[in-house]
Amino acid sequence: DVKVTQSSRYLVKRTGEKVFLECVQDMDHENMFWYRQDPGLGLRLIYFSYDVKMKEKGDIPEGYSVSREKKERFSLILESASTNQTSMYLCASTSAGTTYEQYFGPGTRLTVT
Amino acid sequence: AQSVAQPEDQVNVAEGNPLTVKCTYSVSGNPYLFWYVQYPNRGLQFLLKYITGDNLVKGSYGFEAEFNKSQTSFHLKKPSALVSDSALYFCAVRDLSTDRGSTLGRLYFGRGTQLTVWP
Repeated sequence: DVKVTQSSRYLVKRTGEKVFLECVQDMDHENMFWYRQDPGLGLRLIYFSYDVKMKEKGDIPEGYSVSREKKERFSLILESASTNQTSMYLCASTSAGTTYEQYFGPGTRLTVT
Repeated sequence: AQSVAQPEDQVNVAEGNPLTVKCTYSVSGNPYLFWYVQYPNRGLQFLLKYITGDNLVKGSYGFEAEFNKSQTSFHLKKPSALVSDSALYFCAVRDLSTDRGSTLGRLYFGRGTQLTVWP
């Protein structure tokens, strides 16, 4: 069974802290994605990666960075967390060159106080 | 530019009645179309997809969707709704013209439609 896991389901951080969100997939997928989900706004793409050490900005990259040192792991980094980054963060992966859908992790609900 | 519209924020339907959740899309090239469902505090679960072929596609939990190229729509349907179908539904499109030879798999999502089925 395909699996995308995220390091935390719930996270509370203080303004200014550096925050790491981890995502791991066990399907040998080339492509991985980070979204944030806010009520009424749907899913917005922050960053995605199509290979190890390769990344591209999505629609809302400001205030975020990413790291992909291994194929199965994709990390989202908030360099200095702010209250407007309080959100649900979803990771997804998919196989390159196929019609496969994206597979999603359970999400991390981040609260920045 | 790619976009997906879900014109209804909420859809309410009685159990046993048919349901429809609407989706329209805009892409430059040929689309791949997807429906996902999200239960509270969970990730998204794949329901069904249209790639090519028959315009009516069947998916999980008795859901189906109809691809209409002329109307650029991909509405989600179910003949008889269940209370357990209550959830948030997302439509998504993949634009093959910008997908770098189908390598990226990037999806563009609608804002979601909250479906409530009452007993």
